[in-house]
Amino acid sequence: DAGVIQSPRHEVTEMGQEVTLRCKPISGHDYLFWYRQTMMRGLELLIYFNNNVPIDDSGMPEDRFSAKMPNASFSTLKIQPSEPRDSAVYFCASSSQLAGERADTQYFGPGTRLTVL
Amino acid sequence: DAKTTQPTSMDCAEGRAANLPCNHSTISGNEYVYWYRQIHSQGPQYIIHGLKNNETNEMASLIITEDRKSSTLILPHATLRDTAVYYCIVRPINDYKLSFGAGTTVTVRA
Repeated sequence: DAGVIQSPRHEVTEMGQEVTLRCKPISGHDYLFWYRQTMMRGLELLIYFNNNVPIDDSGMPEDRFSAKMPNASFSTLKIQPSEPRDSAVYFCASSSQLAGERADTQYFGPGTRLTVL
Repeated sequence: DAKTTQPTSMDCAEGRAANLPCNHSTISGNEYVYWYRQIHSQGPQYIIHGLKNNETNEMASLIITEDRKSSTLILPHATLRDTAVYYCIVRPINDYKLSFGAGTTVTVRA
């Protein structure tokens, strides 16, 4: 299995531009999570989905952030308009509720490093 | 309101066991103890988790005290590749969110 795939790996943009981050979860996983990591705030959960439905978006910082999961194999995190304080590493993770040794363990992607100038 | 307390950093000699402590004095009966680690510039990686009993897998062992108020992650033979930030996380059984604290920065030295 290829694991969780994220794209792009690096993104540099200017303030005010729209940014779209993409995630492909592990095949068969029914939970998908978006996290943000900064030096100041550490690793924070932004939103998570179950079976493509958003379950908890309480970590989304503000209306400029939106996330979608149109199908089981794809999710996007969009920032519009972007601001310098959005600069961070954004991680996507997926997990499965199937019974087993690693049931409900989150597998993380490599992250997208976003820099907003 | 951190649910876990970990030392900020620790060093370990290569080839020796690394024992990482974690305090979770307010843990309830329906909360797991999870351990993840994050190697520099990578996403976090699952290590092990447990509820009451001690657990062992190919990566590590997890020792949970009888009162469940603390636990220890044991890396039996630390290698340089084990240098990472290690996170101890308490997570309710029916809640799939993980709350990461600051973790312990473990440096394995040759």
